[in-house]
Amino acid sequence: DAKTTQPTSMDCAEGRAANLPCNHSTISGNEYVYWYRQIHSQGPQYIIHGLKNNETNEMASLIITEDRKSSTLILPHATLRDTAVYYCIVMNAGGTSYGKLTFGQGTILTVHP
Amino acid sequence: DTGVSQNPRHKITKRGQNVTFRCDPISEHNRLYWYRQTLGQGPEFLTYFQNEAQLEKSRLLSDRFSAERPKGSFSTLEIQRTEQGDSAMYLCASSLSQVNTEAFFGQGTRLTVV
Repeated sequence: DAKTTQPTSMDCAEGRAANLPCNHSTISGNEYVYWYRQIHSQGPQYIIHGLKNNETNEMASLIITEDRKSSTLILPHATLRDTAVYYCIVMNAGGTSYGKLTFGQGTILTVHP
Repeated sequence: DTGVSQNPRHKITKRGQNVTFRCDPISEHNRLYWYRQTLGQGPEFLTYFQNEAQLEKSRLLSDRFSAERPKGSFSTLEIQRTEQGDSAMYLCASSLSQVNTEAFFGQGTRLTVV
């Protein structure tokens, strides 16, 4: 699976949009981009995933660049409860190991009042 | 179905003892994964099952670790002769066995070896 690079930490004001970048320059054609987050002492929570098109759900939006070498997770109106570690993961959609997630260090997002 | 359930949530054991954790996946999910997370690190893959078959094991899974998923439903992870280095959060996740799907995690079992 391709490696991802994320900033170690980011801050965001409550009510503002949080834009979390992720670099995955070695991504291959059949690899999806997944985002999970982990609030302290809880299990990771699925947020969103995509292949090449932008995606939106009730939690967030995922913007993938045309060359697929980077992506941005957008939390449109961040709240204090969005403070968490956010993981960007690239996962191969083929072969028997699909579904296996390789977590990096993630981005610690702190939302301030 | 309320999601992936893990028991116990916390376990304190003495070094050298055996411990067993249980994971109940989302009912229609035939894939089940185990991960381990130490303080300040992201989760690390240990092993996964498709139905009752264990398809992959990480090199992190030493011979003191064994996982089972009888009948393709719940799974157990046993650690024999625990060591202090086994202290971690053990996470279970489940998913459908298809591409373009997501895995859902349980709340984890936090193991402390004293």
